[in-house]
Amino acid sequence: EAQVTQNPRYLITVTGKKLTVTCSQNMNHEYMSWYRQDPGLGLRQIYYSMNVEVTDKGDVPEGYKVSRKEKRNFPLILESPSPNQTSLYFCASSLSLAGGRSRVGELFFGEGSRLTVL
Amino acid sequence: KNEVEQSPQNLTAQEGEFITINCSYSVGISALHWLQQHPGGGIVSLFMLSSGKKKHGRLIATINIQEKHSSLHITASHPRDSAVYICAVNMYSGGGADGLTFGKGTHLIIQP
Repeated sequence: EAQVTQNPRYLITVTGKKLTVTCSQNMNHEYMSWYRQDPGLGLRQIYYSMNVEVTDKGDVPEGYKVSRKEKRNFPLILESPSPNQTSLYFCASSLSLAGGRSRVGELFFGEGSRLTVL
Repeated sequence: KNEVEQSPQNLTAQEGEFITINCSYSVGISALHWLQQHPGGGIVSLFMLSSGKKKHGRLIATINIQEKHSSLHITASHPRDSAVYICAVNMYSGGGADGLTFGKGTHLIIQP
């Protein structure tokens, strides 16, 4: 079954304790991305990656790191989490479209990871 | 100011009604996505558009690139259509558009 898998789905942690949210897809997609969703602010892009070893900042990258060492995995790293990073996080992937103006195809989302930082 | 504006923010309608949700954006884009998020949080892609019109079942999406506007229509609405509908755009840049900017969503409730 084609899917994007995020772990953990729920996490409560404390300020400053490094954590990693994993994201894996089995569709051989080039494009992967991370978003956070907050009440009143909607979805905002944190980082994205067009392919292995290629990552770019989205609108809200501060306090986050990513890596893309393999095509299927795109972990989100919070080196020193703070309470303002309490949020619902989504990972998504898509094919990278060649030839057109847009290189991002139909998006496939993970189920979300609800993170609380105390 | 958000570069992607959706209207209405909230919409309550009766089963069977024709629904229209609008999305306007302020810069050049290469593609526009319509997403659906049900209570409980999962997000699914409904459409990706760069021009014209697409139809899938009771859902129709249109885009007017010159007017920087897209609409999502639901015909013969049903309570299971109750969800948040989100518009997202790929901002166009010379090297290709990879980042996505989102509207804040339209919360739709269809009453039986």
